[in-house]
Amino acid sequence: GNSVTQMEGPVTLSEEAFLTINCTYTATGYPSLFWYVQYPGEGLQLLLKATKADDKGSNKGFEATYRKETTSFHLEKGSVQVSDSAVYFCALSSENTGNQFYFGTGTSLTVIP
Amino acid sequence: SQTIHQWPATLVQPVGSPLSLECTVEGTSNPNLYWYRQAAGRGLQLLFYSVGIGQISSEVPQNLSASRPQDRQFILSSKKLLLSDSGFYLCAGRDFSYEQYFGPGTRLTVT
Repeated sequence: GNSVTQMEGPVTLSEEAFLTINCTYTATGYPSLFWYVQYPGEGLQLLLKATKADDKGSNKGFEATYRKETTSFHLEKGSVQVSDSAVYFCALSSENTGNQFYFGTGTSLTVIP
Repeated sequence: SQTIHQWPATLVQPVGSPLSLECTVEGTSNPNLYWYRQAAGRGLQLLFYSVGIGQISSEVPQNLSASRPQDRQFILSSKKLLLSDSGFYLCAGRDFSYEQYFGPGTRLTVT
């Protein structure tokens, strides 16, 4: 079946620290992989995506590489800011998942000055 | 890209009252549409999805129902709200790119 597993939170980091949020997946076929961000009280926004193996998605200093051999799509940022405080969701979708989107449980990040 | 509109932004309703949340889409036609619920501090729970007018799939049996009267309109309803229906409701759309676009959400508090 299809599923996404994210590291448990919450994560608390100091400003300018390095961030990694782990995400692994199980899927049939070749899914597209996504990271979404949810700021307090808001809907989800697409942060970045990768549609095939070895693709690197990047946006706003965040990066994630689609690793088929390890079925992973870990989110990284070299230097976090207070404004990065949010909940981050890893997700997958493909024609093999039918009409469904599979989300991880979300990881809450708090960045302190 | 799609833009998802939801209203109202916040809603406080008494137990036993009816509910109607509306979602509309612009920027695409014939999208797949989704309703999710997010309880406080929890992940996303898929409630319903629709692949076209009048076509609704329910993922979780519950007190809620959904309808799609027009191609770009998706409505979440309840005849009698329960306390457990409180949460953050998100509407989303998906086009051919497999990417989901989310609305701003509705915060529902049932008292």
